Amino acid sequence: NAGVTQTPKFQVLKTGQSMTLQCAQDMNHNSMYWYRQDPGMGLRLIYYSASEGTTDKGEVPNGYNVSRLNKREFSLRLESAAPSQTSVYFCASSEEQGLRNQPQHFGDGTRLSIL
Amino acid sequence: AQKITQTQPGMFVQEKEAVTLDCTYDTSDPSYGLFWYKQPSSGEMIFLIYQGSYDQQNATEGRYSLNFQKARKSANLVISASQLGDSAMYFCAMSGLYNFNKFYFGSGTKLNVKP
Repeated sequence: NAGVTQTPKFQVLKTGQSMTLQCAQDMNHNSMYWYRQDPGMGLRLIYYSASEGTTDKGEVPNGYNVSRLNKREFSLRLESAAPSQTSVYFCASSEEQGLRNQPQHFGDGTRLSIL
Repeated sequence: AQKITQTQPGMFVQEKEAVTLDCTYDTSDPSYGLFWYKQPSSGEMIFLIYQGSYDQQNATEGRYSLNFQKARKSANLVISASQLGDSAMYFCAMSGLYNFNKFYFGSGTKLNVKP
């Protein structure tokens, strides 16, 4: 009954380092998403993948890359981390939207600090 | 462009009383969905309730109901009989027919339930 699983839960990086945040879902959802949440703010969409093999930019894509490895997995990569990327990162998934909007199901988040 | 506005940064309510959390939105999509999420201090995002723009009746889920006023572009969340466990951040979100894979979140309302 895992739902959406994110790893790691916490990470501290130095400026310029790279890392990949992993996300996997077991609900057979087509669509997956990456968000960031800064203190006192709502979530902002970084990238999304409407279906396996496709990815698209969201509201704040700069500094990030994504890979939809298969239907289950969607990873987020920071190539050269910057202090401005200190945030909590959430992965989410949903059924294909179609004509009826579907809720997104979220992982527990990754708290990322960049020094 | 779509926009969600939550004008109440913080709210207090007495235990067992009802509380209304405000959400207004702006969109040019002819069809859209409105969602409410709860984020406890532990950080996870919990889906609460959904309202489709063409739904004839206001959505209800247990103690949660959505006061949807389409002409006013508002989708307020009503929590009846507040419990201490309702203390959390609450986010309103929207997706639209032309951007159904993109959720736009408000900045959130922090609800504190007093015993």
